[in-house]
Amino acid sequence: AQSVTQLGSHVSVSEGALVLLRCNYSSSVPPYLFWYVQYPNQGLQLLLKYTSAATLVKGINGFEAEFKKSETSFHLTKPSAHMSDAAEYFCAALTGGGNKLTFGTGTQLKVEL
Amino acid sequence: EADIYQTPRYLVIGTGKKITLECSQTMGHDKMYWYQQDPGMELHLIHYSYGVNSTEKGDLSSESTVSRIRTEHFPLTLESARPSHTSQYLCASRQRVAGVLETQYFGPGTRLLVL
Repeated sequence: AQSVTQLGSHVSVSEGALVLLRCNYSSSVPPYLFWYVQYPNQGLQLLLKYTSAATLVKGINGFEAEFKKSETSFHLTKPSAHMSDAAEYFCAALTGGGNKLTFGTGTQLKVEL
Repeated sequence: EADIYQTPRYLVIGTGKKITLECSQTMGHDKMYWYQQDPGMELHLIHYSYGVNSTEKGDLSSESTVSRIRTEHFPLTLESARPSHTSQYLCASRQRVAGVLETQYFGPGTRLLVL
């Protein structure tokens, strides 16, 4: 079964610093991959998605992610963190014949002054 | 912006009460989903539907039930709430289009506290 692993349940960065949130998937066949963000007391909002069209995917709010098949990874990055980026981030993979999303355990991003 | 709504947003209720969490979307999506999320934890799929009169249990066992009588409406019901049901419940929807990866949209969630 497909699984998604997010390394680091909590990541803390300084404002202006690079953000790197890690995601690895387990599948012999690269799945469709997603990054979602969840702000407090809200639902999930799509940041970006990988559909095999391009390995570097650009999303909203300056985030991007690079698909690396050799590493089975889909890490999320942002060059310069902003206070408003503080939230929980979830990596997800489409499974079940393309019908269901499998989520990682989430990474809480904290941005400090 | 996604047009998917959940009510109530917050609910505090006593043990043994019957509750229904509402979810509706105005995008005409075929697929709808219910997830359960404990604070700081991952999302667990508890129910999904591929269309009217179609409902399936998800990966996480749940005592709740769902119905899909109309495309836009996917309510979740707990016949007798217990403290173990305390959690956040997220509804989502997605359109099924052959050969196209459609985005899955989420509602704002319902935070349930059972005393």
